[in-house]
Amino acid sequence: KAGVTQTPRYLIKTRGQQVTLSCSPISGHRSVSWYQQTPGQGLQFLFEYFSETQRNKGNFPGRFSGRQFSNSRSEMNVSTLELGDSALYLCASSARDTLRETQYFGPGTRLLVL
Amino acid sequence: AQSVSQHNHHVILSEAASLELGCNYSYGGTVNLFWYVQYPGQHLQLLLKYFSGDPLVKGIKGFEAEFIKSKFSFNLRKPSVQWSDTAEYFCAVIPASGGSYIPTFGRGTSLIVHP
Repeated sequence: KAGVTQTPRYLIKTRGQQVTLSCSPISGHRSVSWYQQTPGQGLQFLFEYFSETQRNKGNFPGRFSGRQFSNSRSEMNVSTLELGDSALYLCASSARDTLRETQYFGPGTRLLVL
Repeated sequence: AQSVSQHNHHVILSEAASLELGCNYSYGGTVNLFWYVQYPGQHLQLLLKYFSGDPLVKGIKGFEAEFIKSKFSFNLRKPSVQWSDTAEYFCAVIPASGGSYIPTFGRGTSLIVHP
């Protein structure tokens, strides 16, 4: 079974731009979660999607948004990029609709904002 | 909001030494507890998890963790580490009640094992 895949793996943007990151979960998994990882703040939960609906949301500004498609693939969008958005963005999938299960993480997308 | 504290940011051990990584959390209700590991160049993966029942849980690669409810702790242990255990270890907590299943991760502990 293929693991969680994320594209692109690396991205460089400038302040004020917007960016869209993509995540394909493990086949059959319906829950997708997004995390931001930085040296200063560690791993922080952004949001979780299940069946195209956002079920849980972390404490991030509205510039961070996401969506999930009917095939469970998910995208995350960050608008009006700030320098502090530079981070590794991780996607994780699990089989059902709860974060209490084992999550399988992807390799991440490393975003650099200049 | 819950929080997770991992006391040791960096740990350096020799092979065959015993390992204990501390994890404490703050949350008033029932929680589910996890330890994840990230080996160099690899994805985060689950080491072990605790939901209920026996507070001593065993995971992959000889790791175990003990949930002590009175101390709000979930420490990770391994009796004898190997060079291949060099990795970053993360403790995570997810509330099991209250309706908001927001996972919180600790900052991580970097473990280096010398051969």
